[in-house]
Amino acid sequence: AQTVTQSQPEMSVQEAETVTLSCTYDTSESDYYLFWYKQPPSRQMILVIRQEAYKQQNATENRFSVNFQKAAKSFSLKISDSQLGDAAMYFCAYRSPYTSGTYKYIFGTGTRLKVLA
Amino acid sequence: NAGVMQNPRHLVRRRGQEARLRCSPMKGHSHVYWYRQLPEEGLKFMVYLQKENIIDESGMPKERFSAEFPKEGPSILRIQQVVRGDSAAYFCASSADSRNTEAFFGQGTRLTVV
Repeated sequence: AQTVTQSQPEMSVQEAETVTLSCTYDTSESDYYLFWYKQPPSRQMILVIRQEAYKQQNATENRFSVNFQKAAKSFSLKISDSQLGDAAMYFCAYRSPYTSGTYKYIFGTGTRLKVLA
Repeated sequence: NAGVMQNPRHLVRRRGQEARLRCSPMKGHSHVYWYRQLPEEGLKFMVYLQKENIIDESGMPKERFSAEFPKEGPSILRIQQVVRGDSAAYFCASSADSRNTEAFFGQGTRLTVV
């Protein structure tokens, strides 16, 4: 069974600085998808970035980028130029390929990010 | 194009009552997923449905919980004879009928059992 581990329950970063959130996962599949979701106090789950396992290039979305290490099964999120609005819970998620028969996501336990003014 | 709509946002039920949570997927989406989030925890998969079919219910408790996604209308997650341990936020997500699209989440329903 697949598992996702986020070992940092809480992180703090100074405004305008850079922070990296860690995520590791375990799977025997070779083709899968990885995601980072942001959950602010409103509870809305907001997709931050996604990575297809077959792509070697790390995904980037503006100030957000990932370091995807497939062999190490590591998928960290880097937030550059942190802003107060980045404060939220961040969840790492794994999704199996459709060939597994399901699209279900496996989520980590989350990292609470605090941004200090 | 409206997002995934869940209602109600908040639901209070007494122990032993039934809870019905509704989810309207995004327009054009035919896949629906339900997740449960306990306080300070991540989302746990419950069930995956397509129109009129349950595809994967491996995360559903064996008793009291059921889900449906009829041909017309929203998906319903039904919890019978609720207990205090059912108190949680329940999220619905939907995706298009394509293997490469991600799921979009609703804002969740917070169920409180008193």
